[in-house]
Amino acid sequence: GAGVSQSPSNKVTEKGKDVELRCDPISGHTALYWYRQSLGQGLEFLIYFQGNSAPDKSGLPSDRFSAERTGGSVSTLTIQRTQQEDSAVYLCASSFGQTGGRGPYEQYFGPGTRLTVT
Amino acid sequence: AQSVTQLGSHVSVSEGALVLLRCNYSSSVPPYLFWYVQYPNQGLQLLLKYTSAATLVKGINGFEAEFKKSETSFHLTKPSAHMSDAAEYFCAVKGNTPLVFGKGTRLSVIA
Repeated sequence: GAGVSQSPSNKVTEKGKDVELRCDPISGHTALYWYRQSLGQGLEFLIYFQGNSAPDKSGLPSDRFSAERTGGSVSTLTIQRTQQEDSAVYLCASSFGQTGGRGPYEQYFGPGTRLTVT
Repeated sequence: AQSVTQLGSHVSVSEGALVLLRCNYSSSVPPYLFWYVQYPNQGLQLLLKYTSAATLVKGINGFEAEFKKSETSFHLTKPSAHMSDAAEYFCAVKGNTPLVFGKGTRLSVIA
C-alpha cells in the first residue's frame, strides 16, 4: 500500500515568508509525528498527534511553528516569518497508536521536505 | 525521560568487515528500542526493534542488535559489511513519549 507522502519535496523561500508543509500519513494510522533534521543534529521532535487527543507540542522551537491535523488524517506544518535557521529537512511519520498506550508502534517515515530559507 | 547516545558520528569499515554501531540509552521506564537507516535523500526505514521479547533482535539486511539492560546498550552489528550498507543509522528509544533519536552515525564502506 501507499506509504507516508510529503509535499513539496523541496521548498526554497525568502526570509520572512510563511511556508506550509504537508504530510499524508498511511491510511488507518492514528498517530502522526513531525521531526526536523538539521545537518549533524539528528532528528528533533516537533509535534505529535494521537487520535482526537490534544497534540503534544512540546518540541516546537518557537511560536512561529504550528501544525494541524484535519479529519485525523492529513497534517500541515506551518512556519511563519521563516528564518535562515529554519533551513532543514522536515520529516513526517505515522504509526498505529492507542490513546494512553505505550506500545512499540513502528513509525513509518515519509521522504521529507527540504526547506531552504534564503 | 528518555535519551540516546550514539558513539561515533562517523564509522568507516572495509567491505566484508564487521560493522558495529554503538547506542546507549537512558529511560525511566522499560524501553522499546529501534534502529533506523536513512539512505541519501530518503526518509528513515526501520531496521529492527526491541520490544521486551528476545534480547537478540534480528532485522533486515543481515543486521542484528542485542539489548543489554545492565549496560543500557543496544548496539547494532552486521558480520560482513556490503557497499550498499553505506548510510546514516539512527538509534531511538521510546518510553512514555514519542521516539527520541540519537544524532546518528554515518557508516562508510570502503572497497
